[in-house]
Amino acid sequence: GAGVSQSPSNKVTEKGKDVELRCDPISGHTALYWYRQSLGQGLEFLIYFQGNSAPDKSGLPSDRFSAERTGGSVSTLTIQRTQQEDSAVYLCASSLEGLGYTFGSGTRLTVV
Amino acid sequence: AQSVTQPDIHITVSEGASLELRCNYSYGATPYLFWYVQSPGQGLQLLLKYFSGDTLVQGIKGFEAEFKRSQSSFNLRKPSVHWSDAAEYFCAVGAGDMRFGAGTRLTVKP
Repeated sequence: GAGVSQSPSNKVTEKGKDVELRCDPISGHTALYWYRQSLGQGLEFLIYFQGNSAPDKSGLPSDRFSAERTGGSVSTLTIQRTQQEDSAVYLCASSLEGLGYTFGSGTRLTVV
Repeated sequence: AQSVTQPDIHITVSEGASLELRCNYSYGATPYLFWYVQSPGQGLQLLLKYFSGDTLVQGIKGFEAEFKRSQSSFNLRKPSVHWSDAAEYFCAVGAGDMRFGAGTRLTVKP
C-alpha cells in the first residue's frame, strides 16, 4: 500500500485479556519496527525485523509481549494478560534497508 | 549503546522568531540521524535525515539541521517559526533499531 497501515486504530480491553495489534508495512520495505509511546513520553523501541534475519527483541518489556512477521510482510504484536501499564500508543514503522522510517498512525491501547 | 538526549522538554517561541531544538547523541560509529515531527493526534513525519556528506541538511517545512561530530549534536533550526509548527519534535539516531529522544514540545505564541 501507499503507507503503513495499523489496525485497529483504537482498542479497549479488560485487564488480563490478550490483544493482537496488526501492522501492514509499505510493500517492498525490508525492515519493520514496533515502538510504544506512553502519554507524554518518547518512543520506546520494542522489536525490529530485518528481512529473514532473527528479530531484535531487545526492547520487549516482558515475556507477555511477542511479535511475528509472516512472509516478510504483515506483522502482529501480541500482548498477553494485559496490564494497565500496557496502555499506550503502539506505533509500527517500516523502512527500506533502515534508511528512514515511515510510521503508521498507531494503535491506541487502553487497558481498563 | 546508541542513545539520544533532547535537553529541552518544552520550548515556547513567538511566531516569526527563530528556533533551535537541541539534540545530542551517543553512537559508536558514524551515525544516521533524523528529526521527526508529531502534530497533535497525528503520526510521526520525517523532517530531515543525515547519513553522510554535507553536515548541513535541509528538510521539509523550512527546517534544517547541522551535524557537529565534535559536539555529538544534531540541532534542528528554523529561521522563522509559524503557528502551524507547534508540535512535538523527536530526534533519532541509528540505522536498524533506531533510538528516539524523549521529544521537545514546541509552543508558538501569537
